[in-house]
Amino acid sequence: EAQVTQNPRYLITVTGKKLTVTCSQNMNHEYMSWYRQDPGLGLRQIYYSMNVEVTDKGDVPEGYKVSRKEKRNFPLILESPSPNQTSLYFCASRAGTGAYNEQFFGPGTRLTVL
Amino acid sequence: RKEVEQDPGPFNVPEGATVAFNCTYSNSASQSFFWYRQDCRKEPKLLMSVYSSGNEDGRFTAQLNRASQYISLLIRDSKLSDSATYLCVVNGGYNKLIFGAGTRLAVHP
Repeated sequence: EAQVTQNPRYLITVTGKKLTVTCSQNMNHEYMSWYRQDPGLGLRQIYYSMNVEVTDKGDVPEGYKVSRKEKRNFPLILESPSPNQTSLYFCASRAGTGAYNEQFFGPGTRLTVL
Repeated sequence: RKEVEQDPGPFNVPEGATVAFNCTYSNSASQSFFWYRQDCRKEPKLLMSVYSSGNEDGRFTAQLNRASQYISLLIRDSKLSDSATYLCVVNGGYNKLIFGAGTRLAVHP
């Protein structure tokens, strides 16, 4: 089954404790993104990757890091989480650069930083 | 001004009603357009793409007006299962998708 997986699905942590949210897709997609979703603000892109070893900042990159060492994986790293990073996070992938290519989302990770 | 704007709703409609959502976008160079559906705190899923000539998929009709920079979604014969948040999405160039904050629809018996 074609899918995007994320882990963990739920995470409660404390300020400053480094964490990683994993993301993996099995569709051989080149393009992957991370978003955060907050009430009233919609989905905002954190980072994206056009292919292996190619990453770039989205709209809200501060406090986050990513890496793309393999095509299928795109982990999101919070080196020193803060309460304002409490949010619902989605990983997504899309094939190539076609204007109408569908974007597939993972099930989401609900993060709470105390 | 937000790049993609939607009325947040909620739209409360009875089963069988016809309901329409609009969305406006600010970048006239936007290349492609979509409606995604999101059930409560779950991942968004593609409902339909929106093409220049307008397109229909069953009870759903999408229209694009490039001159006025708005997109619409019409749902006919609403079902209880249509209750969700509908996200207007614009490809703003360089394949960056820009999401509206969503319009919530609640269909009641």
